[in-house]
Amino acid sequence: EIVMTQSPATLSVSPGERATLSCRASQSVSSNLAWYQQKPGQAPRLLIFGASTRATGIPARFSGSGSGTEFTLTISSLQSEDFAVYYCQQYNNWPSMYTFGQGTKLEIK
Amino acid sequence: EVQLVESGGGLVQPGGSLRLSCAASGFTFSTYDMHWVRQTTGKGLEWVSSIGTNADTHYPDSVKGRFTISRENAKDSLYLQVNNLRAGDSAIYYCARSASYSYYGLDVWGQGTTVTVSS
Repeated sequence: EIVMTQSPATLSVSPGERATLSCRASQSVSSNLAWYQQKPGQAPRLLIFGASTRATGIPARFSGSGSGTEFTLTISSLQSEDFAVYYCQQYNNWPSMYTFGQGTKLEIK
Repeated sequence: EVQLVESGGGLVQPGGSLRLSCAASGFTFSTYDMHWVRQTTGKGLEWVSSIGTNADTHYPDSVKGRFTISRENAKDSLYLQVNNLRAGDSAIYYCARSASYSYYGLDVWGQGTTVTVSS
């Protein structure tokens, strides 16, 4: 089973600054990685798939990078609505297996 | 409007069963793969089942043999039969869709239905 590890668990950043979130896979998942944003009381929202492709309607300040085992989600200039929990998900063995990371909480500094 | 609406959650005793439903609207349901993902209180996300457009199904080992996913395209509906429930199955259960010809992420989610397993 592929284990996804996100770091840090909590990230404190000021509005307007850049946030960098990491996701590591226990074995290579190629570029088969997605990122989701979840706000309290809401369902997750797809941000990125294919490690770096923004989903429909996602602002350009969100960008994803990486391949293999190391991935990064960068939010270039934090807006108030970006403070949330972010999850990565690998789908290297789709459709038979998907694994989420444990999440990174992005909070206001 | 593209929408998924879950129902069927509730309070059930350990060892009990539930059937969760997900009603789809605003898109051609039969052409999408469908998934169930759960989230325990204060915890992260866990994929629990998928069904393809040809009704092929997949499960993680943690629920295999206890959970059964199914779909009824004529009713634009997805189901999850959950049996032999344990306290650890208590969670919000979300349904979500993905493209069938390749995987581009779970791009539409429902609002979730809550399952509580307790005596």
